[in-house]
Amino acid sequence: DIQLTQSPSTLSASVGDSVTLTCRASQSIGRRLAWYQQKPGKPPKVVIYEASNLESGAPSTFSGSGSGTDFTLTISSLQPDDFANYFCQQYQTYSWTFGQGTKVEMK
Amino acid sequence: EVQLVESGGGLVKPGGSLTLSCETSGFMFSAYSMNWVRQAPGKGPEWVASITNSGREIYYADAVEGRFIIARDNGKNSLSLQMDRLGAEDTGVYYCARSYGSGSFIGLFDPWGQGVLVSVSS
Repeated sequence: DIQLTQSPSTLSASVGDSVTLTCRASQSIGRRLAWYQQKPGKPPKVVIYEASNLESGAPSTFSGSGSGTDFTLTISSLQPDDFANYFCQQYQTYSWTFGQGTKVEMK
Repeated sequence: EVQLVESGGGLVKPGGSLTLSCETSGFMFSAYSMNWVRQAPGKGPEWVASITNSGREIYYADAVEGRFIIARDNGKNSLSLQMDRLGAEDTGVYYCARSYGSGSFIGLFDPWGQGVLVSVSS
């Protein structure tokens, strides 16, 4: 199985900050990577797919980049609603796998 | 509005069985692959099983192969997951999720249901 490693595990930031989350795959997955946002007690929700495509309805402050094994999710200006857990997921090869997550918390 | 509603979770003893159901509405169920994804407390999601729109192709994670059975009823717009020989490692919230699309997007999950808790404990 393809392993996904996210860093950092926790990121402390303030409203208005720009933050970058990283996801590294154990082998190349092309651009078949999605980022999900999850809030407590809720299911994950896609914010980015195909590494850099913004999901309909997701804020334009979210952007994704990368290909192959290294990917990033950037939130250009953190809003109160953005404090959440973020998971990357590869859908290049079944069995599909998720990273362990990055918690974006308020500083 | 697309809706996915899971049911059937609960507390079960190790070695026991449970069947989860997912009732769907708001989209053409028979056109989409469907999936079960679980999440242990404090952990990232873990893909469990997938079934193509026709039901002809089924995939399982190694951790559940031989113990879980995914099935669908296109006439009733519903998905199920029969779980046998449950262990503590199967504890978590189980989500029903629709595949984003076909082809390369089969393994991309959107949307998800609200989830149902399965607890395996003596």
